Amino acid sequence: KNEVEQSPQNLTAQEGEFITINCSYSVGISALHWLQQHPGGGIVSLFMLSSGKKKHGRLIATINIQEKHSSLHITASHPRDSAVYICAVIRRIGNQFYFGTGTSLTVIP
Amino acid sequence: GAGVSQSPSNKVTEKGKDVELRCDPISGHTALYWYRQSLGQGLEFLIYFQGNSAPDKSGLPSDRFSAERTGGSVSTLTIQRTQQEDSAVYLCASSLAWDRAYNEQFFGPGTRLTVL
Repeated sequence: KNEVEQSPQNLTAQEGEFITINCSYSVGISALHWLQQHPGGGIVSLFMLSSGKKKHGRLIATINIQEKHSSLHITASHPRDSAVYICAVIRRIGNQFYFGTGTSLTVIP
Repeated sequence: GAGVSQSPSNKVTEKGKDVELRCDPISGHTALYWYRQSLGQGLEFLIYFQGNSAPDKSGLPSDRFSAERTGGSVSTLTIQRTQQEDSAVYLCASSLAWDRAYNEQFFGPGTRLTVL
């Protein structure tokens, strides 16, 4: 059983569409990360959340600690948003990291 | 541009040889993390350092793997007697501190290790 589940695994969208990627986890956490990995392999940290909601440009991340669920939203999607989006949690007890398998997003012009 | 740097960028080695991978974190970052990503697989956490100390080494895949950090800066990940299943991209990241308020991580470009 994976401690972190992401959905969908693959997502294709038309440019301009609103996109939602979901992350559910089964352990108590101290923080959750959303990461972006581009085809070249480089990884960028998008958000680190422990509660509530954060917004950066067209990206919005929310977390519901009680429901053990987080969402990443992309508004007005653009082909340059095409990447793999990875959810990662830091377990509250023991500080282990657990990663989702990623959501591969392709935005078509 | 003082980002996280890793060396070498690519390493090809023969099965059974030892390899050392190096990570230079962002200056002033006290927390450092090692991950690996096998071909077609997700990220796997290996170990993290708070300063020079690694509180939990249970993420290391086997006793052939070890990591150290000296002077609160550079870290090396050593793999002894490499096996083909060790082939992966090894990623390093650093953050300002080990505290959830400061835990934004900055990733290096990775070292691609190929064990023949």
